[in-house]
Amino acid sequence: GNSVTQMEGPVTLSEEAFLTINCTYTATGYPSLFWYVQYPGEGLQLLLKATKADDKGSNKGFEATYRKETTSFHLEKGSVQVSDSAVYFCALSGPDSWGKLQFGAGTQVVVTP
Amino acid sequence: GAGVSQSPRYKVAKRGQDVALRCDPISGHVSLFWYQQALGQGPEFLTYFQNEAQLDKSGLPSDRFFAERPEGSVSTLKIQRTQQEDSAVYLCASSLRGGYTFGSGTRLTVV
Repeated sequence: GNSVTQMEGPVTLSEEAFLTINCTYTATGYPSLFWYVQYPGEGLQLLLKATKADDKGSNKGFEATYRKETTSFHLEKGSVQVSDSAVYFCALSGPDSWGKLQFGAGTQVVVTP
Repeated sequence: GAGVSQSPRYKVAKRGQDVALRCDPISGHVSLFWYQQALGQGPEFLTYFQNEAQLDKSGLPSDRFFAERPEGSVSTLKIQRTQQEDSAVYLCASSLRGGYTFGSGTRLTVV
């Protein structure tokens, strides 16, 4: 079956540091890939997505590229802010699953001033 | 409404008690999903509705869990005879043509 593996947290960074959160997946066919973010006390929000190989999703300074050869979708941001402190979830949706999402365990990111 | 609304926001249940969790999706959203998120984990799929039809309930962990969406709008997730392992945040999401919106969830604590 489908699965998503992402790096464990917490990841603690200083403001303006570079952030990478690794995500790899196992899936049949060609899934769509997502990054969701959960700020403290709030619901899950879509951060970015990519629907086919070599697509790059981007939003709010975050980027992730759909790499089919390495089955990866790593999240990056060049200069983090304190407001980026949150839990980040990598997820996939299989082509035949009507949008059902398979999530990774989440990575907590803490950005200090 | 503007977003997906879930109620109650918090629920404490004694072990063995039945609970009902409500989800008000965005008006017009055909698809509705329920997920269970245990502490420190990612959400796990429970069930999926397309309008009033429950097309996938493969994620429901036991026959104590039951979901309905009788008129294709509001949905209720019912858990009978709650147990401690049911403690989690229950998330509802609605979708129209693939764009998901999640509610803030109901945090269920079974004591």
